[in-house]
Amino acid sequence: AQSVTQLDSQVPVFEEAPVELRCNYSSSVSVYLFWYVQYPNQGLQLLLKYLSGSTLVKGINGFEAEFNKSQTSFHLRKPSVHISDTAEYFCAVSWVLMTGFQKLVFGTGTRLLVSP
Amino acid sequence: NAGVTQTPKFRVLKTGQSMTLLCAQDMNHEYMYWYRQDPGMGLRLIHYSVGEGTTAKGEVPDGYNVSRLKKQNFLLGLESAAPSQTSVYFCAGSETIIEAGGKETQYFGPGTRLLVL
Repeated sequence: AQSVTQLDSQVPVFEEAPVELRCNYSSSVSVYLFWYVQYPNQGLQLLLKYLSGSTLVKGINGFEAEFNKSQTSFHLRKPSVHISDTAEYFCAVSWVLMTGFQKLVFGTGTRLLVSP
Repeated sequence: NAGVTQTPKFRVLKTGQSMTLLCAQDMNHEYMYWYRQDPGMGLRLIHYSVGEGTTAKGEVPDGYNVSRLKKQNFLLGLESAAPSQTSVYFCAGSETIIEAGGKETQYFGPGTRLLVL
């Protein structure tokens, strides 16, 4: 079965510091990888996704993630965070079932807390 | 475009009461989903729909029913609410099946906070 592990439930960081949010996955089939962000009291929105090609994926708001197949990881990074980046970040794996349905499995989330 | 909207935003129920959560989308999504979000558990799929008139069970369907009579609406019903159903419920829709294959981005509504006493 496919699964996603986000080891850090909370990551505190100071404004303008770099940050890395870790995501590891386990899968017996070919999967696609996503990062979604949830700002306070809002729904989730796509940050970036890896489908194929270059292993370094750039997303919105200056975030990027690197797909590492050998380490089964898809860590999210930003070189300099802002207060407005305070949110919960979800890593997810996706694959297609025989029915054509997209199965999406989320990690438990990492809360990024940016302080001045 | 409003995107994906959900009503109500917040609701308090007593055990045993029933209610319906409404999800509406104006993005022409074929696929629609209902998730619940609980602390430390991420999002879990309750039910989903692959088109008007079709629905299927997700990971945690017990205690919920759904209907998709119109393409733009996906309803989630709780027939007899239980405290274990206290959660935040999210509806989502995904791009048309032309771009199928697991690559789709899902677009989420703002959520409904439900408290069952």
